[in-house]
Amino acid sequence: EAGVAQSPRYKIIEKRQSVAFWCNPISGHATLYWYQQILGQGPKLLIQFQNNGVVDDSQLPKDRFSAERLKGVDSTLKIQPAKLEDSAVYLCASSPRGSGSTDTQYFGPGTRLTVL
Amino acid sequence: KQEVTQIPAALSVPEGENLVLNCSFTDSAIYNLQWFRQDPGKGLTSLLLIQSSQREQTSGRLNASLDKSSGRSTLYIAASQPGDSATYLCAVPGGGKLIFGQGTELSVKP
Repeated sequence: EAGVAQSPRYKIIEKRQSVAFWCNPISGHATLYWYQQILGQGPKLLIQFQNNGVVDDSQLPKDRFSAERLKGVDSTLKIQPAKLEDSAVYLCASSPRGSGSTDTQYFGPGTRLTVL
Repeated sequence: KQEVTQIPAALSVPEGENLVLNCSFTDSAIYNLQWFRQDPGKGLTSLLLIQSSQREQTSGRLNASLDKSSGRSTLYIAASQPGDSATYLCAVPGGGKLIFGQGTELSVKP
């Protein structure tokens, strides 16, 4: 079974530029998550999709971050414009069912973003 | 609001030692607790998931315990190996999402 795929693996941009990350979850998984992990901290949930609907985006900085899940499968996370404090690893995860509370989440390798 | 804390932030041990990693959480009303491993530049791999009705779970050299009443979990690693070097994170569900601790960076020296 293929795991969660993410691209690119690394990205370096200057502040005020735009960037987009892509995630392909495990086939058949209903729920997809985007996390932000700042160096030395645990991952923080940015947004959770169930199929193609948003379940939780309470911690997504909506003035600069946006995300969509196309046809309930792949997802993209965009930052526009980027700030220095957005430097982090962006992790995508998926789970088979709908509940983040009881389902095992499977993580992709992450995209390391550096904003200069 | 659920908060998860892991102490110590970093730990270095010689190969072969048994060790314990600690995780504490503020709200004891949890469904389960998970321990993850994160290698440098990699995503997270789930190691163990303990349901709220369980007190411990074992997988190979790993044993995780859960004490809901005291808001604590421990991850015991027996006979540590250099390949165990990684960051270990615990997480509990909160508000429909996972709340992570900041992790313990483990280094096992040959």
